[in-house]
Amino acid sequence: GNSVTQMEGPVTLSEEAFLTINCTYTATGYPSLFWYVQYPGEGLQLLLKATKADDKGSNKGFEATYRKETTSFHLEKGSVQVSDSAVYFCALSDPLEGGATNKLIFGTGTLLAVQP
Amino acid sequence: NAGVTQTPKFRILKIGQSMTLQCTQDMNHNYMYWYRQDPGMGLKLIYYSVGAGITDKGEVPNGYNVSRSTTEDFPLRLELAAPSQTSVYFCASSYPVTGGNQPQHFGDGTRLSIL
Repeated sequence: GNSVTQMEGPVTLSEEAFLTINCTYTATGYPSLFWYVQYPGEGLQLLLKATKADDKGSNKGFEATYRKETTSFHLEKGSVQVSDSAVYFCALSDPLEGGATNKLIFGTGTLLAVQP
Repeated sequence: NAGVTQTPKFRILKIGQSMTLQCTQDMNHNYMYWYRQDPGMGLKLIYYSVGAGITDKGEVPNGYNVSRSTTEDFPLRLELAAPSQTSVYFCASSYPVTGGNQPQHFGDGTRLSIL
């Protein structure tokens, strides 16, 4: 079955440091890939998405490129801020396995803590 | 814009009690979902619905029931609460899928403790 694996946290960085959170996936078909962010005490918010190979999703300085050859969707940001401290989830939606249901499969989440 | 609204935000139950977690959305989304989030485990799908009157099991449905009588509402029912159901519950909704690329919109969650 489909699955998502992301690097374990916590990831602790100083402000303005470069961020990479690794995400790899296993999928039957051609999934869409997502990064969601969860701030403390809140629900998940969509950060960015990519729907086909070589697509780059971007938002708020974060980027991720859909790499079919390495089955990866790593999240990057050039200069993190304290306000980026949150839990980040990689997820996929695979129409071939999930049918027309838009079901998401999530990774376990990575806690990012940015220190001033 | 309210989006997805969940109530209550917090609840403590005794073993064997029952309760309903409420979820309503005002975006006219056909698809709705219930997830549970356990520490270090990501989110697991409990039940989902692709429209009023249609529900189906997700990955971890045991101990839960749902109904979908309207497009807006998708309540989750716990009949006999057990300690293993202590978790944070999230409701989400989305437009119908077209190629699987519709993002889901989440509520703020219900934190449930069963003692």
